[in-house]
Amino acid sequence: NAGVTQTPKFQVLKTGQSMTLQCAQDMNHNSMYWYRQDPGMGLRLIYYSASEGTTDKGEVPNGYNVSRLNKREFSLRLESAAPSQTSVYFCASSPRDSYGYTFGSGTRLTVV
Amino acid sequence: GNSVTQMEGPVTLSEEAFLTINCTYTATGYPSLFWYVQYPGEGLQLLLKATKADDKGSNKGFEATYRKETTSFHLEKGSVQVSDSAVYFCALNSGNTGKLIFGQGTTLQVKP
Repeated sequence: NAGVTQTPKFQVLKTGQSMTLQCAQDMNHNSMYWYRQDPGMGLRLIYYSASEGTTDKGEVPNGYNVSRLNKREFSLRLESAAPSQTSVYFCASSPRDSYGYTFGSGTRLTVV
Repeated sequence: GNSVTQMEGPVTLSEEAFLTINCTYTATGYPSLFWYVQYPGEGLQLLLKATKADDKGSNKGFEATYRKETTSFHLEKGSVQVSDSAVYFCALNSGNTGKLIFGQGTTLQVKP
């Protein structure tokens, strides 16, 4: 089925560990996004990539890095995880200059 | 800057009741407006959208009208069902990058 695939679905990390969240879309969309969702705060943009080869910071980029590996894939890396990064992470994609996002099913990350 | 404010939840209704979830926004220019729905354990799905003033978006019995004079985009449904229980997010696009800004979400619980 066409859409956005995120892996893993669940992850528990210890403080200081690193990990990469993977995201891939098969809709030939130009733009991709990483959001985090926290109770009472809606979704906050971490990083986005308007097109292959470009990435930009969003509202809450500190502690994260991203890589737009190719048009399909956009990964999010936590170099040294902190408890404040416990959250649900969503990847999304959209056609350039369009306005509808397709979301992945999310990664629930717990940092202990 | 641009922002979206939604009514506080949770909203609890009986089946077949009328639903209104308020959403107001602050934005420069003429943003497009969206409602997304998130069912338990899933990612967000686009419910409806409106791209210019006085447009009405509709889907699955839900409606919302883009009111520029009151900077609002309230979500309505005439008769809710138990299956409508979910979290609803209002959002607007930001500039021409396609980035969406989300409200904090409103939880709807429909009881039989």
